[in-house]
Amino acid sequence: AQSVTQLDSQVPVFEEAPVELRCNYSSSVSVYLFWYVQYPNQGLQLLLKYLSGSTLVESINGFEAEFNKSQTSFHLRKPSVHISDTAEYFCAVRGTGGGNKLTFGTGTQLKVEL
Amino acid sequence: DSGVTQTPKHLITATGQRVTLRCSPRSGDLSVYWYQQSLDQGLQFLIQYYNGEERAKGNILERFSAQQFPDLHSELNLSSLELGDSALYFCASSAHHSANYGYTFGSGTRLTVV
Repeated sequence: AQSVTQLDSQVPVFEEAPVELRCNYSSSVSVYLFWYVQYPNQGLQLLLKYLSGSTLVESINGFEAEFNKSQTSFHLRKPSVHISDTAEYFCAVRGTGGGNKLTFGTGTQLKVEL
Repeated sequence: DSGVTQTPKHLITATGQRVTLRCSPRSGDLSVYWYQQSLDQGLQFLIQYYNGEERAKGNILERFSAQQFPDLHSELNLSSLELGDSALYFCASSAHHSANYGYTFGSGTRLTVV
């Protein structure tokens, strides 16, 4: 079985500052990794994913995440955040060898302040 | 609009009652997943259906049941409701039975049991 740990439940940051949201996974098999974002009163939206190939993946709105197999991590970063990035961010994992569901972390609330 | 439609958006009901939540997947998607999101449990996988057949089961209570119909829409039935069942219930869909490329989520049904 796979699991995901998001160590930070809340991350406050000032606008235009860099941010890193941490995600560590546990799995005995190869994994696919995802980051989802949830804005208030909305469903989850896929932000980016790692399936294979380049370990650095990027989203269209400036976020990036790096798959680090040795550290079993998939941290999400953005060099300069905007007020509109305020949301909850979920890391999710799926084993490549079988099983159909995504297992989500407990989420990190990113609060961007002026 | 993600293409996944959930109805109703909000539901308030009394303990002991039964409710049905409905989900229409994105056009072309054959898999439907149900998740429960609560403050204390986070996002919990309930059940998956693929092309009308149950594919995977998670932490779904015996009081809960689901099905997927020939037109691929799905219903989640919650019975003998308890206060602790109050949560956001999300439906997600994917093209295949595996979630290699992630899910597309609906905007959820907020259930309040009073």
